[in-house]
Amino acid sequence: DAGITQSPRYKITETGRQVTLMCHQTWSHSYMFWYRQDLGHGLRLIYYSAAADITDKGEVPDGYVVSRSKTENFPLTLESATRSQTSVYFCASRTSGGQGTDTQYFGPGTRLTVL
Amino acid sequence: AQSVAQPEDQVNVAEGNPLTVKCTYSVSGNPYLFWYVQYPNRGLQFLLKYITGDNLVKGSYGFEAEFNKSQTSFHLKKPSALVSDSALYFCAVRYNFNKFYFGSGTKLNVKP
Repeated sequence: DAGITQSPRYKITETGRQVTLMCHQTWSHSYMFWYRQDLGHGLRLIYYSAAADITDKGEVPDGYVVSRSKTENFPLTLESATRSQTSVYFCASRTSGGQGTDTQYFGPGTRLTVL
Repeated sequence: AQSVAQPEDQVNVAEGNPLTVKCTYSVSGNPYLFWYVQYPNRGLQFLLKYITGDNLVKGSYGFEAEFNKSQTSFHLKKPSALVSDSALYFCAVRYNFNKFYFGSGTKLNVKP
């Protein structure tokens, strides 16, 4: 199916473990984003990517690593998970035009619990 | 500093009544403002955006928003609320080419 998908949808892990959240989009959008959603904070940008092999930090990048070897995939890795990283993670994408005014399209989210 | 404020955590309205969800912003330069809606266990869905031009912006599902530069506000409105409008609503502002600042969200409850 076309669109933006995330996997897994739910994940429980333990402190100190490495976790990778996957994001895949079928629109060939240039830009992709990772956000975390926490109660009272709305969505906060973790990392974004303008194209394959081009990534940059957002508002809350500490403790996260991203890569983008292919346009359609943008995995987010927690190298050593901490309880403070318990959150709902959303991936988003958008086209490259419009000076940043283009709409972002969001995936369904991954609910991560770190014990 | 760039920011967005949604002063109400929750808004309650009866079905058929008009609704308003408030948003104020602080941004240097011209503001690019967005409204998104989130249904339970779903990602955010785009409703509407203000880039330039007419201060009244019309969007999806009968929603509209009014941009007020002097009050730095971008309130979301709908003339007649539906129970199905019950959801979490986020206001967002673009603060550089690729970065968006989201408000903390307002839960809209529409009661039959």
